[in-house]
Amino acid sequence: AQSVAQPEDQVNVAEGNPLTVKCTYSVSGNPYLFWYVQYPNRGLQFLLKYITGDNLVKGSYGFEAEFNKSQTSFHLKKPSALVSDSALYFCAVSGRRALTFGSGTRLQVQP
Amino acid sequence: NAGVTQTPKFQVLKTGQSMTLQCAQDMNHEYMSWYRQDPGMGLRLIHYSVGAGITDQGEVPNGYNVSRSTTEDFPLRLLSAAPSQTSVYFCASRARNTEAFFGQGTRLTVV
Repeated sequence: AQSVAQPEDQVNVAEGNPLTVKCTYSVSGNPYLFWYVQYPNRGLQFLLKYITGDNLVKGSYGFEAEFNKSQTSFHLKKPSALVSDSALYFCAVSGRRALTFGSGTRLQVQP
Repeated sequence: NAGVTQTPKFQVLKTGQSMTLQCAQDMNHEYMSWYRQDPGMGLRLIHYSVGAGITDQGEVPNGYNVSRSTTEDFPLRLLSAAPSQTSVYFCASRARNTEAFFGQGTRLTVV
C-alpha cells in the first residue's frame, strides 16, 4: 500500500526568503505525486504534479517541486515566499484506489 | 464549468439521525472519492468508486455507505450519526492517474 509522510507540522519562513515543505513517499511501481494547498475554510486546490519526465516540476503561483527517486522525496519549493502563501499544504500519491494524502504542513510566512 | 459540487455546505445532526451528502461532477471522470478531514490527520479515504456501479471501502468506511448509479453522482450516506463523525467531508473526482478535483467541503457537526 502507498503512503506519504510530511515530517513537519509547521514551517515558518520570513517573506522574501526561500521555502521548502518536505514530503517523502512509499509506493510500489512508478509514483504519481501531487501537491495541494488549502486556504482556511476552502477546499483543496491543485498546485502541481509529477507523472514522468523532468525531476523539477513547475506549478501554480510560482511553486515548484523536486522529485528524487533515490530519496523517495517530492519536496515543495518556492524561491521567494509571500505572506499570501500562508496555508495548509498536502502532498499526495496516486494509487489504484484513490489519492493517499500526507497529514499536511502548515506554512506560516511572516512579514 | 461547475467541476465538483457538494451539498450541503454545513449540517448539524443529532446522534442517531441519518443523512446523505451529495456530490456531483460534470467532467465525466471515472474515479470519485470521499474523504474526511480532521485536525492533524490529513485527509482519510472513506469510500471510492472507479466507475458507475463499482464502489469499494477506503481506510475509514464504518458508519458510511455509498452508491454510484451514474458517472456524475456519488452520494455519501451516514446511517446513524455519531459524534465521532463530526468532521469536514470532501468529495473528489479525477481521471485515472491525474490530479483530483475537490468540492468545497461539507462541515458536519453531530451533537
